[in-house]
Parts: sequence; structure tokens; C-alpha cells
Amino acid sequence: KQEVTQIPAALSVPEGENLVLNCSFTDSAIYNLQWFRQDPGKGLTSLLLIQSSQREQTSGRLNASLDKSSGRSTLYIAASQPGDSATYLCAANTYSGGGADGLTFGKGTHLIIQP
Amino acid sequence: EPEVTQTPSHQVTQMGQEVILRCVPISNHLYFYWYRQILGQKVEFLVSFYNNEISEKSEIFDDQFSVERPDGSNFTLKIRSTKLEDSAMYFCASSGAGGGNTIYFGEGSWLTVV
Repeated sequence: KQEVTQIPAALSVPEGENLVLNCSFTDSAIYNLQWFRQDPGKGLTSLLLIQSSQREQTSGRLNASLDKSSGRSTLYIAASQPGDSATYLCAANTYSGGGADGLTFGKGTHLIIQP
Repeated sequence: EPEVTQTPSHQVTQMGQEVILRCVPISNHLYFYWYRQILGQKVEFLVSFYNNEISEKSEIFDDQFSVERPDGSNFTLKIRSTKLEDSAMYFCASSGAGGGNTIYFGEGSWLTVV
């Protein structure tokens, strides 16, 4: 059974810093890995999707990497801004042959960017 | 930009009552999902739906739960005889394909069982 772990659980940094959020998963048989952002009381906004054959994806100030063999992914946020404050969730889409498999989520990293 | 919409945004119900949560997935998507998030806990997969039938379901999705696509646009989650522990945010999601595509989530329906 897939297990996803995110470290750290919470992070507070001054504005402008670059930072890395970590995600690990136990089953490397994944279709892909998605990073989401969740604001308090809100839905999930997809940030980046990395296919199992890819090593990284970039969108603006965000860069996500994937190392399937070690079961790890990182989300790098460059030049952080107060508006980046949110909970960041990592989710693995694990292959089980069904084709419409559910995502397995980590508990998230609660990020606060201090102005 | 197309989005997944959910209604109601918040519902309070008495224990034992039936609840129907409604979702309109993105129009050209083929795969539909329900997830839930109990306050302070992980987002958990409930069920996926493709080609008018359940594709996969988790251990949480027991006989108390059912899903339906009653017409070409809506996707519903029915919870029969609600329990206190069903209180959670329920998210609907959809994707254009099963394993390889981005899954898009709605804003959620917050269910409180009293």
C-alpha cells in the first residue's frame, strides 16, 4: 500500500528566500506525482504534475523533481513571496492496472512566508 | 478556465439523515473522483468512476456510500444514514484520462453531521 510522507510539516521563512519541500513515497510503481497548493478552507490547486518518466517540471518560480528509484520528490520555490503562504500537498498516482487510480496524499507542509 | 464545481459549499445534517453532494466535472473529462479530508488529516481517496461505473474504491467507501452520474454533466456522492465521523470536506475531482493526466479538484463541500 502506497504511503506518502512530507517533510517538514511546517516551515516559516522570510520573504525572498529559496526553499525546498520534500516528499517521499514507498511504492515506486507510480504513473505520476502531483504537487498541490491548499489555502485554508479551500480546494486543491494543482501546481505541477511529473510523469514517472520525467525527472523534473517547472512552472514559473516552482520546480518539482522526481527520483522514482529512491521514492522522492522535491518542490523548489524560488524567491518566496507572502502570497506563497499555504499548505503544499504531494500526491502519488500509483499504478494498479485499473487506469483510474486514486491519488495517495501526504499530510502536507504548512508554509508561512514572513513579509 | 474550466473548473470543477461543487454544491453545496456547506451542509449541516442530523445524524442518520441521507446527504447528496453534487459535482459538475470539467466538461470533456472522462474520469471522476471523490475524496474527503477530515479536519486536520490527510486528503483520502474514496472512489473513482469511469464509463458509468466505479473503477476503484477505497476501504472507506463502504455500503453507506454510493455514486451516480444521473445525466451528462452531474456526478453525485450519496451518503446514507450519516454518522458523526462523516463530518469532513468532500472534494470532487476529474481528469481527462486515468493514470497520466492532471486531476483537477473542486472547492469542496463541507459536511457537518450533528
